[in-house]
Amino acid sequence: LAKTTQPISMDSYEGQEVNITCSHNNIATNDYITWYQQFPSQGPRFIIQGYKTKVTNEVASLFIPADRKSSTLSLPRVSLSDTAVYYCLVGDMWGGNEKLTFGTGTRLTIIP
Amino acid sequence: DTEVTQTPKHLVMGMTNKKSLKCEQHMGHRAMYWYKQKAKKPPELMFVYSYEKLSINESVPSRFSPECPNSSLLNLHLHALQPEDSALYLCASSHPTVDRELFFGEGSRLTVL
Repeated sequence: LAKTTQPISMDSYEGQEVNITCSHNNIATNDYITWYQQFPSQGPRFIIQGYKTKVTNEVASLFIPADRKSSTLSLPRVSLSDTAVYYCLVGDMWGGNEKLTFGTGTRLTIIP
Repeated sequence: DTEVTQTPKHLVMGMTNKKSLKCEQHMGHRAMYWYKQKAKKPPELMFVYSYEKLSINESVPSRFSPECPNSSLLNLHLHALQPEDSALYLCASSHPTVDRELFFGEGSRLTVL
């Protein structure tokens, strides 16, 4: 299983763009990358998923370089409600029994 | 319906009690998961059921006993727990071959006295 490494914490001001990078040096060919957001005492919530290049949805963008050894979650114009822990997961695209393991996560604090 | 429902939301039990946590989803997902999360730590995978069969057991102590009665339900039976088992227990489900997104419930907060 690919191990992920993220910064433990980040601070940002409201209205800024925030980029959180995840390192996954031993990612396998069949692995995909997923990011989750978690608020205190709630279950994690899916943000975005990708395999390569760039993926964008209504809340975030995910940038994956050609070697796929890292990925960057980009949150445009953050607000106080984006204060949460963000987790990067790497998992087998074709695995039926998914051993999806969370890394340490990045605790993002948005400052007014 | 895109929800995973967990009951109870809070549970306090003694070390000699037997209790169960329940999880239900009606999204047609055929993979269901139990995670355990301690304060300020990431969720730790405990069990995975795929098509109602236990496919992954992450060396969880036998005082935790999972059960998947049908494709919509997942239980976690608790017996003779220790205070260090106090945690947030999260249930999740996913479609095993489509988008691989994990849908989590709100969790059951367990306190063992």
